[in-house]
Amino acid sequence: DSGVTQTPKHLITATGQRVTLRCSPRSGDLSVYWYQQSLDQGLQFLIQYYNGEERAKGNILERFSAQQFPDLHSELNLSSLELGDSALYFCASSPGQGFGTDTQYFGPGTRLTVL
Amino acid sequence: SQQGEEDPQALSIQEGENATMNCSYKTSINNLQWYRQNSGRGLVHLILIRSNEREKHSGRLRVTLDTSKKSSSLLITASRAADTASYFCATDAASGSRLTFGEGTQLTVNP
Repeated sequence: DSGVTQTPKHLITATGQRVTLRCSPRSGDLSVYWYQQSLDQGLQFLIQYYNGEERAKGNILERFSAQQFPDLHSELNLSSLELGDSALYFCASSPGQGFGTDTQYFGPGTRLTVL
Repeated sequence: SQQGEEDPQALSIQEGENATMNCSYKTSINNLQWYRQNSGRGLVHLILIRSNEREKHSGRLRVTLDTSKKSSSLLITASRAADTASYFCATDAASGSRLTFGEGTQLTVNP
């Protein structure tokens, strides 16, 4: 158990809908990362927050947004969902800003299925 | 494109054999990490090697780093069926950017 929790575990929804994925980092970790993993694209970095502020942005679509709250939990919002958004979404956390010897701890993931 | 690229993409061996996976990267790094992912689960950190280190051991894992060739290798000795997983390298560029993951090597250890 990494100490990172993600809810829900599974999510099935229809195209055009909007969903929110939630992540609670390990106690004391200040950074939260979101990744998308699909069969054909591997692990894609979406976005990182550090202590409430956006720290780095990856291949995140405009239909997707995220935020980190004062208690450091984070939410990833996915809107106008398309079939291609079906994937595993991972949250990870780390103590620092994400470089140097900072190690990332991954949650169990949310499996999103868009029908 | 990803900073780290693993090779091979897939590897299938028999239990008891050694497994070697390689990672190449493009820019100078501060550190390189290896992670493991069991099917459908989150990644788990295995080992970190700093740019001034050449070799590091952890149990049955041995990691080497050759900064002149911009490459690293992960050796798993005396493999077990439970080692079946995907293995990812992740690099921290010397410029101070975030950790970047490679595409992964899918290891299958047959009992």
